[in-house]
Amino acid sequence: KAGVTQTPRYLIKTRGQQVTLSCSPISGHRSVSWYQQTPGQGLQFLFEYFSETQRNKGNFPGRFSGRQFSNSRSEMNVSTLELGDSALYLCASSLQAGGADTQYFGPGTRLTVL
Amino acid sequence: AQTVTQSQPEMSVQEAETVTLSCTYDTSENNYYLFWYKQPPSRQMILVIRQEAYKQQNATENRFSVNFQKAAKSFSLKISDSQLGDTAMYFCAFMKHGAFGANSKLTFGKGITLSVRP
Repeated sequence: KAGVTQTPRYLIKTRGQQVTLSCSPISGHRSVSWYQQTPGQGLQFLFEYFSETQRNKGNFPGRFSGRQFSNSRSEMNVSTLELGDSALYLCASSLQAGGADTQYFGPGTRLTVL
Repeated sequence: AQTVTQSQPEMSVQEAETVTLSCTYDTSENNYYLFWYKQPPSRQMILVIRQEAYKQQNATENRFSVNFQKAAKSFSLKISDSQLGDTAMYFCAFMKHGAFGANSKLTFGKGITLSVRP
């Protein structure tokens, strides 16, 4: 079974631009969560989607948004990029939600904002 | 809100020896899950071990075992017979227990960089 895939793997943008990242969960998984990883702040929860509904949102500004499609694939969007948005963005999928199932992580998208 | 603390930023161990990574957490929840994740350099984050808070027995997975002290809110990871491939950043994480469809937010510690010396 294929693992969690994220595209693109690397991205370079300039301040003020917008970016969309994609995550394809493991086949059959319905829950997708997004995390931002930076050296200074560590791993921070962005949001979680389950059955196309946002279940939980972290403490990030409204410039960060996401969605989930009927096939469980998820996208996150960051508008008006700032230098501080440079980070590794990780997505994780699990069968259900609520912690009973293990979350499997993708390789991440490395975003650099110049 | 839950917090997870990993106070040791770096550790080093000789190959074949045993090392223990510390983690403490703070929560008012009674039902929850605790995890150790491993992130090798430039590689994917993978689950090492998980512990359900309602289980008194400590989880083990081959060379990896935990010492779960619920009252002390402590969750340490012991790696036996350390191997070069164990070199990685290790994150301790917490998740509230939720019913079906509830949120699955992981709260992570800052991580610890473990180096295994040949």
